[in-house]
Amino acid sequence: AIQMTQSPSSLSASVGDRVTITCRASQGIRNDLGWYQQKPGKAPKLLIYAASILQSGVPSRFSGSGSGTDFTLTISSLQPEDFATYYCLQDYNYPLTFGGGTKVEIK
Amino acid sequence: QVQLQESGPGLVKASETLSLTCTVSGGSISTYSWSWIRQPPGKGLEWIGYIFDSGSTDCDPSLKSRVTISIDTSKKQFSLKLTSVTAADTAVYYCARRAVRPERFDYWGQGALVTVSS
Repeated sequence: AIQMTQSPSSLSASVGDRVTITCRASQGIRNDLGWYQQKPGKAPKLLIYAASILQSGVPSRFSGSGSGTDFTLTISSLQPEDFATYYCLQDYNYPLTFGGGTKVEIK
Repeated sequence: QVQLQESGPGLVKASETLSLTCTVSGGSISTYSWSWIRQPPGKGLEWIGYIFDSGSTDCDPSLKSRVTISIDTSKKQFSLKLTSVTAADTAVYYCARRAVRPERFDYWGQGALVTVSS
């Protein structure tokens, strides 16, 4: 199975900060990667798919980049509603595998 | 608006079988694949397996011997059975729709907490 390594596992940031989360795949996965946001007690929500395509309705402050093994999720200006846990997911092959998550907390 | 809703017992005894059903409303059950994903308390997400409307299915190798995923297209439902459960199977279980080309989980159920008791 492809291993997805996310970093950092947690971070503290202030409203307005630029935040970057990275995900590394144990082998090349083209651009078959998605990013999901999860708030406590809620189901994950799709933010980005195919590494860089913004899901409909998701604010443009979210962006994704990368291909092959290294991927990045960027929040250009952190908003209060963005404090959550973020997961990457490789869609390249089965079994599908998630990264361990990055918890974004208020500084 | 597509909606998914998990249903099933919230408490299962160790060594017994966990059974959950996901009901799809507001959209077609064709064209997409349908997955089960779980999350142990305080931990990350784990993909369990998928099924297509054709009945084609696959699951994580670590669970393969214990998992059955089935579908009833007439009822727009798909189901998960996990046998011989242990405390390690205690988790919130999500059903989700996977759109294709490009693949992504675009709709999720709200989740169902299943606790395995000894």
